Amino acid sequence: DTGVSQDPRHKITKRGQNVTFRCDPISEHNRLYWYRQTLGQGPEFLTYFQNEAQLEKSRLLSDRFSAERPKGSFSTLEIQRTEQGDSAMYLCASSFLVRGGAYNEQFFGPGTRLTVL
Amino acid sequence: AQTVTQSQPEMSVQEAETVTLSCTYDTSENNYYLFWYKQPPSRQMILVIRQEAYKQQNATENRFSVNFQKAAKSFSLKISDSQLGDTAMYFCAFSQGAQKLVFGQGTRLTINP
Repeated sequence: DTGVSQDPRHKITKRGQNVTFRCDPISEHNRLYWYRQTLGQGPEFLTYFQNEAQLEKSRLLSDRFSAERPKGSFSTLEIQRTEQGDSAMYLCASSFLVRGGAYNEQFFGPGTRLTVL
Repeated sequence: AQTVTQSQPEMSVQEAETVTLSCTYDTSENNYYLFWYKQPPSRQMILVIRQEAYKQQNATENRFSVNFQKAAKSFSLKISDSQLGDTAMYFCAFSQGAQKLVFGQGTRLTINP
């Protein structure tokens, strides 16, 4: 399967612990997005990368959140000192933007469900 | 900031019926894209249909079609001949070209046999 993959699929942690999620985009996709989806709500944008450059961060991304895409391939999202309010599904999406292109379809991964106890 | 509103939290129809999901949005931009995404239970989100704001013609993909009313900032999804596999959360979303997606709250659609 050559779709977007995310690891782990589920994570249960205790409040105050650090967690890290990984996203592997579709091969050769140059854009990678992170979204957060709480129960019964639509996904909310967190951040996105063009290759290894982080181009935009949402105000939702507090100082406890950090995302990287060191070689322009996979990406990690780390949450430090987790809080119960961080419990959500974290979705990753990737796309390929042609130079000068006006639109790029985002393909979503299955998500990582985080539960903070 | 752009916002997307879906006013129908849940809908339920019988198999083979036609169902319409509503979406309104707010933006001051003239060029943008609108989408309907489907999120089946415990499965990943997939794109159902896309509409470019500069196109007057409504987009159609097999049983799925949209009614795009730019002046009214309305973007509804019609599913014809509904099937059991259409059961899912449906999200309306907005983007300005190759940018982030802004999603609505979603509509949970159940197709009953």
